[in-house]
Amino acid sequence: EIVLTQSPGTLSLSPGERATLSCRASQSVSSTYLAWYQQKPGQAPRLLIYGASSRATGIPDRFSGSGSGTDFTLTISRLEPEDFAVYYCQQFGTSPPGYTFGQGTKLEIK
Amino acid sequence: QVQLQESGPGLVESSGTLPLTCAVSGDSISSRNWWSWVRQSPGKGLEWIGEIDLSGGPTYNPSLRGRVTISVDKSRNQLSLSLTSLTAADTAVYYCARNGPFSLENWGQGALVTVSS
Repeated sequence: EIVLTQSPGTLSLSPGERATLSCRASQSVSSTYLAWYQQKPGQAPRLLIYGASSRATGIPDRFSGSGSGTDFTLTISRLEPEDFAVYYCQQFGTSPPGYTFGQGTKLEIK
Repeated sequence: QVQLQESGPGLVESSGTLPLTCAVSGDSISSRNWWSWVRQSPGKGLEWIGEIDLSGGPTYNPSLRGRVTISVDKSRNQLSLSLTSLTAADTAVYYCARNGPFSLENWGQGALVTVSS
């Protein structure tokens, strides 16, 4: 089973700054199978990025995803106040089949 | 815009069975082939429970296999989850989701389930 490790655990930044979140897989993951989510307190996760780099419907272009193999990155170019939340990466596996998530990165206001 | 709404008992007894339903509105459940359940324990991360392929059948997380059943009722436009032999470790917020391309595109607001001893 592939394990996803996100870093850092907590990232403290100010609005307007650039955020770079990392997701490392224990084995190579097809880019097609890598996604990112945002979750705010008391809310369900929201899909941001699928296929490692494709933005989901309605997601602002300040969010971008990149990476391949075992290393993937979510970048938020200029932080807005509403971007402070917890972010999860997710991979779809075929053996065993199903979805697994990283432990999350909390993006907090500095 | 599709909307998903989970419902079920907020409190269930240890060793009992949890029944949850997910009502789909704004679109037909047949609009996508795959639908999933995910849970999140208090203060913890996300755990995928399983999914159902409307053209095939269900696939479950191996860690829950034997205790979980996912089904769909196309006539009612709803998804169902049953989880048996409950313990305190099953206390969580349970979400239903519509699958996208190897991702979970649309989510319900979640239903908090507490397992009491």
